Amino acid sequence: SQQGEEDPQALSIQEGENATMNCSYKTSINNLQWYRQNSGRGLVHLILIRSNEREKHSGRLRVTLDTSKKSSSLLITASRAADTASYFCAPFSGAGSYQLTFGKGTKLSVIP
Amino acid sequence: NAGVTQTPKFRVLKTGQSMTLLCAQDMNHEYMYWYRQDPGMGLRLIHYSVGEGTTAKGEVPDGYNVSRLKKQNFLLGLESAAPSQTSVYFCASSWNNEQFFGPGTRLTVL
Repeated sequence: SQQGEEDPQALSIQEGENATMNCSYKTSINNLQWYRQNSGRGLVHLILIRSNEREKHSGRLRVTLDTSKKSSSLLITASRAADTASYFCAPFSGAGSYQLTFGKGTKLSVIP
Repeated sequence: NAGVTQTPKFRVLKTGQSMTLLCAQDMNHEYMYWYRQDPGMGLRLIHYSVGEGTTAKGEVPDGYNVSRLKKQNFLLGLESAAPSQTSVYFCASSWNNEQFFGPGTRLTVL
């Protein structure tokens, strides 16, 4: 399994603004997933993007994937205070791998 | 559907004591995982299982043992707890690459 590295480590924005966080990884992937963790809670799956996809939307979330640069970005539009959480990316290598490896995440604070 | 549940939610141990954390899932998932999360860190995989009766080591397996006697349950054991095992422990199960997490167990070892 391989670990994704999220950037920035912390992000603070005003409610209503957009939030963008990035993920880089090292080797080829089958898919890449984004998870959210509210303080003191377990991770919650947000979205999965496959290696043959370039962009995916889910509500206010937009994920892009650039396999040539080995990077992904998560955009949250019109942020809300409830979006305050840590966000983790998890690149999945596929074939014979059963594990996801999580990095340190991006801690997003949305100020009301 | 309860999803993934963990028991207990909180526990305080003294150094050298033993305990078992229980994870249960009602989604009939084959894969299950145990992670630990320390302040400011991501999750680190302790052990995982790809099916009933199977277990495998993850990134940080030392000091822990696991068992998967039933498909729905994955137990994590600490035989002789150490202060370095103070952490929040998360269990997860997986289907179609997506992982579903439990609410966590906060363990303090004094």
